[in-house]
Amino acid sequence: GQNIDQPTEMTATEGAIVQINCTYQTSGFNGLFWYQQHAGEAPTFLSYNVLDGLEEKGRFSSFLSRSKGYSYLLLKELQMKDSASYLCAVRDGDYKLSFGAGTTVTVRA
Amino acid sequence: ETGVTQTPRHLVMGMTNKKSLKCEQHLGHNAMYWYKQSAKKPLELMFVYSLEERVENNSVPSRFSPECPNSSHLFLHLHTLQPEDSALYLCASSQDRQGAETQYFGPGTRLLVL
Repeated sequence: GQNIDQPTEMTATEGAIVQINCTYQTSGFNGLFWYQQHAGEAPTFLSYNVLDGLEEKGRFSSFLSRSKGYSYLLLKELQMKDSASYLCAVRDGDYKLSFGAGTTVTVRA
Repeated sequence: ETGVTQTPRHLVMGMTNKKSLKCEQHLGHNAMYWYKQSAKKPLELMFVYSLEERVENNSVPSRFSPECPNSSHLFLHLHTLQPEDSALYLCASSQDRQGAETQYFGPGTRLLVL
């Protein structure tokens, strides 16, 4: 089966940096996704990594190491609106996504 | 028009009721998905349709019955549900099943089974 682990909760201060780690053990690998989900809303796409390295998108960056089965999402210059759940998902075939349980990030003033 | 819409947004039903969830995507995508999201648990993939053909049924109980009449619409028919079926049901779509395409999610239907 698929195994995707990420921390349950993280708390950080406005303006700070937070790194959310995700480790995975899957039967195949065809890309890793990060989604943001605010309470009561749909998950929205943040980033996609299929090759090793860092992908930067404004305040958000995502890193992948396929040999280590490891990714992280880096949130910089945290804002209150960044308080949400962050979902790590691995595509193990041509379309199927397996999700982690999500990391709830709380940003404090 | 919002990319992926779902109705109703909230639903309360008894165990003997029959109801249907509706999903519509306005993105011109060819693949559509049903997921179940329970509290503190990972999203669980239930069904996948590609070009209106069901390509995955992820060991879902028969009390959940999907229907995809065309590439823009997806339904989930519910009957004789159990209280443990209470969850957020999310619909998603993607351009196709392959490639680097991400999935776009609807806002979900919050279901409570009494």
